Amino acid sequence: SQTIHQWPATLVQPVGSPLSLECTVEGTSNPNLYWYRQAAGRGLQLLFYSVGIGQISSEVPQNLSASRPQDRQFILSSKKLLLSDSGFYLCAWSVSYTQYFGPGTRLTVL
Amino acid sequence: DQQVKQNSPSLSVQEGRISILNCDYTNSMFDYFLWYKKYPAEGPTFLISISSIKDKNEDGRFTVFLNKSAKHLSLHIVPSQPGDSAVYFCAASVGQGAQKLVFGQGTRLTINP
Repeated sequence: SQTIHQWPATLVQPVGSPLSLECTVEGTSNPNLYWYRQAAGRGLQLLFYSVGIGQISSEVPQNLSASRPQDRQFILSSKKLLLSDSGFYLCAWSVSYTQYFGPGTRLTVL
Repeated sequence: DQQVKQNSPSLSVQEGRISILNCDYTNSMFDYFLWYKKYPAEGPTFLISISSIKDKNEDGRFTVFLNKSAKHLSLHIVPSQPGDSAVYFCAASVGQGAQKLVFGQGTRLTINP
């Protein structure tokens, strides 16, 4: 069966510090991968998606970037965090229409 | 531009009764619709989906109805159970290749004993 892992589960970072969140998927090959953010009290906003290694599409202009160095690995990064980057970050995978989400990372930028 | 809207931020239902969650959309190009359930501090869990070529899909206690002319879908949960208390998101799919999902804002469902 397929599983998706995200780490860390929680993170508190100062403004201006770098960020690296990692997501890995097991049990499937060549999945589509996604990064979402849920701000407090709001819905899920798609940040990036990838259909293959090295292929990244950005949905919204922002302070973040994404990379896919391996087939089942997706990384979300920032060089300098802003207060507005705080939120709940979710990674998801799909091979058809349905997306399956990881447990999420709660990021607080102080 | 909010393409997927859940106009009820919260809903309270008595245990054993039917819960009906509603969702409206504006983009007629959406071809697949999904419902997710989310507990606090966890990732959303897929519940049920429906293709735009159908008007109903049922899975156990969960049924999704799609009214394309009204651009409206609903999720029925019957009978409602305390474990159903969560935030429910509807989502619509657009695009080929990567199926990008557009989410509604969510509805918090509370099941009262």
